[in-house]
Amino acid sequence: DSGVTQTPKHLITATGQRVTLRCSPRSGDLSVYWYQQSLDQGLQFLIQYYNGEERAKGNILERFSAQQFPDLHSELNLSSLELGDSALYFCASSVGDPRDGYTFGSGTRLTVV
Amino acid sequence: DAKTTQPPSMDCAEGRAANLPCNHSTISGNEYVYWYRQIHSQGPQYIIHGLKNNETNEMASLIITEDRKSSTLILPHATLRDTAVYYCIVRVGTSGSRLTFGEGTQLTVNP
Repeated sequence: DSGVTQTPKHLITATGQRVTLRCSPRSGDLSVYWYQQSLDQGLQFLIQYYNGEERAKGNILERFSAQQFPDLHSELNLSSLELGDSALYFCASSVGDPRDGYTFGSGTRLTVV
Repeated sequence: DAKTTQPPSMDCAEGRAANLPCNHSTISGNEYVYWYRQIHSQGPQYIIHGLKNNETNEMASLIITEDRKSSTLILPHATLRDTAVYYCIVRVGTSGSRLTFGEGTQLTVNP
């Protein structure tokens, strides 16, 4: 157990639907990062939050959004889902020092049918 | 962030040292070298990182050449559980920077 909790572990949904993925960072970690890993592309950085504020943005689609709440948990919202959104979605956290390594959760496997 | 080059795959015998190379010839003075690994479909696991000095922890050793253009991750006594994709990442240690994963090296530890 890495200390980073992601729910749900598996999610199957239909095209056009909207889902929310949840991440609870390790205790004391202020930064949360979201990554997407699909079969044909490696781990892609989506977005980072630090203490409730957006800090960095990667190749995140406009249909996707995220936020970090006062208790530091984060949610990734995916809407108007397409088949190509099927992937593993990982959350990672760190204390906030940019030199530190990240601790990843075990991921949410999203299947869009 | 500097680009890294790693061999796509390597094999190692169980109990022997696994030496995974990484080339980062365009690294800047303020960029750190990080190593992560990912065991099939699990979340990536942080292994070690360094700036210019060699580093060692309970998992591995990181050897960075004096010119910082390449590094080697050493797993001293590889086990079957070390079979994974190993990623070498170079990143500026400043706010807003992020880990950018490449293709990595698939290490297979054989019995």
